[in-house]
Amino acid sequence: DTAVSQTPKYLVTQMGNDKSIKCEQNLGHDTMYWYKQDSKKFLKIMFSYNNKELIINETVPNRFSPKSPDKAHLNLHINSLELGDSAVYFCASRPGGAHGYTFGSGTRLTVV
Amino acid sequence: TQLLEQSPQFLSIQEGENLTVYCNSSSVFSSLQWYRQEPGEGPVLLVTVVTGGEVKKLKRLTFQFGDARKDSSLHITAAQPGDTGLYLCAGVRTGGFKTIFGAGTRLFVKA
Repeated sequence: DTAVSQTPKYLVTQMGNDKSIKCEQNLGHDTMYWYKQDSKKFLKIMFSYNNKELIINETVPNRFSPKSPDKAHLNLHINSLELGDSAVYFCASRPGGAHGYTFGSGTRLTVV
Repeated sequence: TQLLEQSPQFLSIQEGENLTVYCNSSSVFSSLQWYRQEPGEGPVLLVTVVTGGEVKKLKRLTFQFGDARKDSSLHITAAQPGDTGLYLCAGVRTGGFKTIFGAGTRLFVKA
């Protein structure tokens, strides 16, 4: 009954590979997000989707491509992985207004 | 330059002590949130404040939003080892729609 679940929890892969991270929320929220947390724990938004429509697309390399098949799912595909992509990636969702986020437990991506 | 400055960056205290962490900005925020993040997990929402001067209490945690809505504080009374974690503030600037996160305060409470 996890509210925001993302898989996998850990991902170790070689440079140049393509990988995907999946996210699902069962809260009925309209908006979903991908955040990247670097080694200093700083959280930076990457993408936001509202009801399957892209509404925020920060300055992220176009090797990163989000896909939202429905409002409960937001997946992240990364092409040609680089060492600098190593980080923890968090999926989150929230309802409208001033409400806070519900985060998933994160995917630790390590590129070797 | 970060839009939300959190201080201190690190805090190590003994169980039973009180502490306050701060979140400051030169910008006005329409709302501000506090989260706690434990190792290997995502941030968990503690509180949202929206009104200048607002004070909210959550057991031993007291949150305050500054009168001008540019700053916030989190006070913990009689800290316990279970309070250990990374405390993040986040907010939406007035007129904006993106949430900005501070860099966090890492708290360690020793038994």
